[in-house]
Amino acid sequence: QQPVQSPQAVILREGEDAVINCSSSKALYSVHWYRQKHGEAPVFLMILLKGGEQKGHEKISASFNEKKQQSSLYLTASQLSYSGTYFCGTEPPSGGATNKLIFGTGTLLAVQP
Amino acid sequence: ETGVTQSPTHLIKTRGQQVTLRCSSQSGHNTVSWYQQALGQGPQFIFQYYREEENGRGNFPPRFSGLQFPNYSSELNVNALELDDSALYLCASSRGGTNQPQHFGDGTRLSIL
Repeated sequence: QQPVQSPQAVILREGEDAVINCSSSKALYSVHWYRQKHGEAPVFLMILLKGGEQKGHEKISASFNEKKQQSSLYLTASQLSYSGTYFCGTEPPSGGATNKLIFGTGTLLAVQP
Repeated sequence: ETGVTQSPTHLIKTRGQQVTLRCSSQSGHNTVSWYQQALGQGPQFIFQYYREEENGRGNFPPRFSGLQFPNYSSELNVNALELDDSALYLCASSRGGTNQPQHFGDGTRLSIL
């Protein structure tokens, strides 16, 4: 089942912070975060694993609550380049990570000068 | 390092026709996943190929099929096209193993008339 993201859309001024949430109704093995600008390919941001390990972006942080089946992406001191649609991709714990992601509903982020 | 390339970029077909989309994976990557992205939605997993074998499939009918070649490039074939097949088709490659970032191509925009 598709993870639900919130908010659906958010508008920020440069320098402001934002939090994007991803919630699944199923147990998760890992959560992947991607950003997609209009007309472009999704770009990898971060992977969060059970047990707290993270792989990814230096300027973006995230958390993964395995018990609640939720992940949050924290964007601090936002820049114009952060604008785009953010997707979480989840992977169930079916025998290990396989990169077969179920993507969420998406969060549109617009950063204004 | 050459990124993921997809061809063609745009394609227009009519109902009932067949289509082949192509993807060249990034150097060093042996896993290719295909996704369908409808307008305003997150990518939906179609199937994955690992070392020339199908390695998992999403909720798509058998008229969606694929191939992976010895150089790890891949094809997505769709038979008996339907109007609902109109979408952006994304290919993503990754290294083998667990918890690997996926690198997406720019996609093929398929329109069915």
